[in-house]
Amino acid sequence: GQQVMQIPQYQHVQEGEDFTTYCNSSTTLSNIQWYKQRPGGHPVFLIQLVKSGEVKKQKRLTFQFGEAKKNSSLHITATQTTDVGTYFCAGRPGGSYIPTFGRGTSLIVHP
Amino acid sequence: IAGITQAPTSQILAAGRRMTLRCTQDMRHNAMYWYRQDLGLGLRLIHYSNTAGTTGKGEVPDGYSVSRANTDDFPLTLASAVPSQTSVYFCASSDSLAGGQDTQYFGPGTRLTVL
Repeated sequence: GQQVMQIPQYQHVQEGEDFTTYCNSSTTLSNIQWYKQRPGGHPVFLIQLVKSGEVKKQKRLTFQFGEAKKNSSLHITATQTTDVGTYFCAGRPGGSYIPTFGRGTSLIVHP
Repeated sequence: IAGITQAPTSQILAAGRRMTLRCTQDMRHNAMYWYRQDLGLGLRLIHYSNTAGTTGKGEVPDGYSVSRANTDDFPLTLASAVPSQTSVYFCASSDSLAGGQDTQYFGPGTRLTVL
């Protein structure tokens, strides 16, 4: 089964509100990646986090990797309609070479 | 070809028929993957290949087979399709399974319907 849990499954926000999605693993992750999939499209790589406690920013997006390397979050400030899509995290739990995807969080932005 | 391509784009298939989904990449990536995406279940790994000539089973391999005769191609075969295999299938590739070069590049997907 899924070793990387992602919540929430869906999130409705009004344009301009903030949004956060969380990923949690029961085992230490060697790295974690985030992908975005637009409706009808394919997943596209956003960023990779490797170090404990790492924080990276891409314009209005802030990515964090927990100190224990078991959890991660993606925060979007002041959402826009262009942020609509499903956000996936992918991590390698327990030293596995194979990345495991979370089930994704679908963001719906209401104008 | 630029990046990773999949064929067909979509297909409607009768149950019991054999079907091969094609995937080709021109990035000379060592690792390739097949996922299926179903509503509410995210991306589930079917099979993967670390390098040409090797393959491995993912989370949901039953009913599917793969081969990796060369670096560029990674076809997925359904020997005898069943309705539960109705899904969107994504192929992906990455430079390596190990180290820091495992960013995955996804193809556009194949929408398969088994009736």
